[in-house]
Amino acid sequence: EAGVVQSPRYKIIEKKQPVAFWCNPISGHNTLYWYLQNLGQGPELLIRYENEEAVDDSQLPKDRFSAERLKGVDSTLKIQPAELGDSAVYLCASSLTAQEAFFGQGTRLTVV
Amino acid sequence: RKEVEQDPGPFNVPEGATVAFNCTYSNSASQSFFWYRQDCRKEPKLLMSVYSSGNEDGRFTAQLNRASQYISLLIRDSKLSDSATYLCVASSASKIIFGSGTRLSIRP
Repeated sequence: EAGVVQSPRYKIIEKKQPVAFWCNPISGHNTLYWYLQNLGQGPELLIRYENEEAVDDSQLPKDRFSAERLKGVDSTLKIQPAELGDSAVYLCASSLTAQEAFFGQGTRLTVV
Repeated sequence: RKEVEQDPGPFNVPEGATVAFNCTYSNSASQSFFWYRQDCRKEPKLLMSVYSSGNEDGRFTAQLNRASQYISLLIRDSKLSDSATYLCVASSASKIIFGSGTRLSIRP
């Protein structure tokens, strides 16, 4: 069975440019998470979806970050405009409701 | 104060040693608990769930103390391949919170 798939794996952009990340969760998983992980830190939740509904986006910086999960399957996370401090690994994870989360390999973003 | 706190380490122990990590959580509504393992530049992977009765998986034993709000992980007969960062997770109906991780390095 395929795991969580994310793309791209790596992205380098100049500050003030937009960037988008894509995630395909494990088939049948209704819960999807986007996390941000800085070096030496644990993953920090940005947004959690239950099917197509964003049930927790309290940590998402809404002035520049947006996310969507159309049809309750794939999801995209967008940053516009990107800032130097956004450089991090962006992890997508999926789970059955309240069960353990399975992670994708992440997208490593570098803003220069 | 972080909602899930772990000693960042690093723990540097010889192969074959027993090592234990603790983790504390502040949200009393937390219902599910997990330990994840994360290798350098890789994604976190589930190591084991943590149950109130305690659970064991080979060389790994996890314990939960709800009264004191802490979770522990014990690794016996450590192997070189156990070197990684171990992340503690506390989950409630509305939140899933990761600790910052404890780095473990096993030396030959």
